[in-house]
Amino acid sequence: DAKTTQPTSMDCAEGRAANLPCNHSTISGNEYVYWYRQIHSQGPQYIIHGLKNNETNEMASLIITEDRKSSTLILPHATLRDTAVYYCIVRVVNQAGTALIFGKGTTLSVSS
Amino acid sequence: NAGVTQTPKFQVLKTGQSMTLQCAQDMNHEYMSWYRQDPGMGLRLIHYSVGAGITDQGEVPNGYNVSRSTTEDFPLRLLSAAPSQTSVYFCASSYSGFYGYTFGSGTRLTVV
Repeated sequence: DAKTTQPTSMDCAEGRAANLPCNHSTISGNEYVYWYRQIHSQGPQYIIHGLKNNETNEMASLIITEDRKSSTLILPHATLRDTAVYYCIVRVVNQAGTALIFGKGTTLSVSS
Repeated sequence: NAGVTQTPKFQVLKTGQSMTLQCAQDMNHEYMSWYRQDPGMGLRLIHYSVGAGITDQGEVPNGYNVSRSTTEDFPLRLLSAAPSQTSVYFCASSYSGFYGYTFGSGTRLTVV
């Protein structure tokens, strides 16, 4: 799986958009980008994933650059409950015999 | 309720004792994984399974055994507990292995 690089920490004001970047410059054509978050030592929660098109669901939007070497997770209106560690993971589609490998992630602090 | 159930939630062991952490899911997921998370650290993969009867090692497998006799259950055995195994243990499952994983709420283990 391609290596990802994320900032260690970020701050965001409540109600504003939180934009979390992820660099994956060695990504290959058959690798998806996944985002998970972990709130205060709970089990990680799946947020969104994408291959090359931008994706949106009820939680967030995922913007992947055209060359796929980086992506941004967008929380459009951050709340205090969005304070968490956010993990960007790159993984081969349908790769047999593997599981998710987590990096260090970005600690997002949302304040009022 | 559908989801991943981990038991016990808390456990204190003495050095040298053995025990089994239980993980069960009722979503008919083929893929299951075990992770440990040390204080202030990210998740590290211990063992994983891609179906009943099939398991493999992750990043930090030493000191742990797993088996997968049914689709629903994926127990993690600590053979001889050591203080270095003090951690929070998370179990996760997925239908496809690359789509969103569902995590349990964790088992907090202290080895004294």
